Amino acid sequence: EDQVTQSPEALRLQEGESSSLNCSYTVSGLRGLFWYRQDPGKGPEFLFTLYSAGEEKEKERLKATLTKKESFLHITAPKPEDSATYLCAVNSGTYKYIFGTGTRLKVLA
Amino acid sequence: DAGVTQSPTHLIKTRGQQVTLRCSPKSGHDTVSWYQQALGQGPQFIFQYYEEEERQRGNFPDRFSGHQFPNYSSELNVNALLLGDSALYLCASSLAGNGAFFGQGTRLTVV
Repeated sequence: EDQVTQSPEALRLQEGESSSLNCSYTVSGLRGLFWYRQDPGKGPEFLFTLYSAGEEKEKERLKATLTKKESFLHITAPKPEDSATYLCAVNSGTYKYIFGTGTRLKVLA
Repeated sequence: DAGVTQSPTHLIKTRGQQVTLRCSPKSGHDTVSWYQQALGQGPQFIFQYYEEEERQRGNFPDRFSGHQFPNYSSELNVNALLLGDSALYLCASSLAGNGAFFGQGTRLTVV
């Protein structure tokens, strides 16, 4: 059964303190791994799609990487406005996304 | 581009009632999926519509049904509401298997 596990569940960082969020996955055949940002009470905001091991994508202070078993979302010099829940999802060739439970990030000024 | 729009944003219903949620996909997208997100959890797949047909369904009872219209917009209907149906309902649109874009969600509270 396809499964996604995200760690840590919650993370508190000081402004400027870089860190990484982890997404471990088990799928029968990866057709795409997706990162989303979600603010409280809002819908997920699309960040990145990764398709194959070794692929990397960057956007501002965020960089997503992918291996055969996990993906990392690296946050460089975070700011308070980066505070949100970051969700990881996988697609294995069916039409649905399997989501993890997310990492709640709090960046302190 | 208005992106994915959902209505209403908030809704309060009584147990046993029926509810209809609406979604307009992002311009150019032809596929609509619905997800349920409980507090502190990741979204759970309900079903997906493409060419006005339900293409895949998740582990949700038949009380959950949907429809897609010729203009690609979609509705989610839930009958015989239970307290446990209280959640954020998300609509996502996509085109040809590319990344899905989500709306802001409808917060449903069942009392």
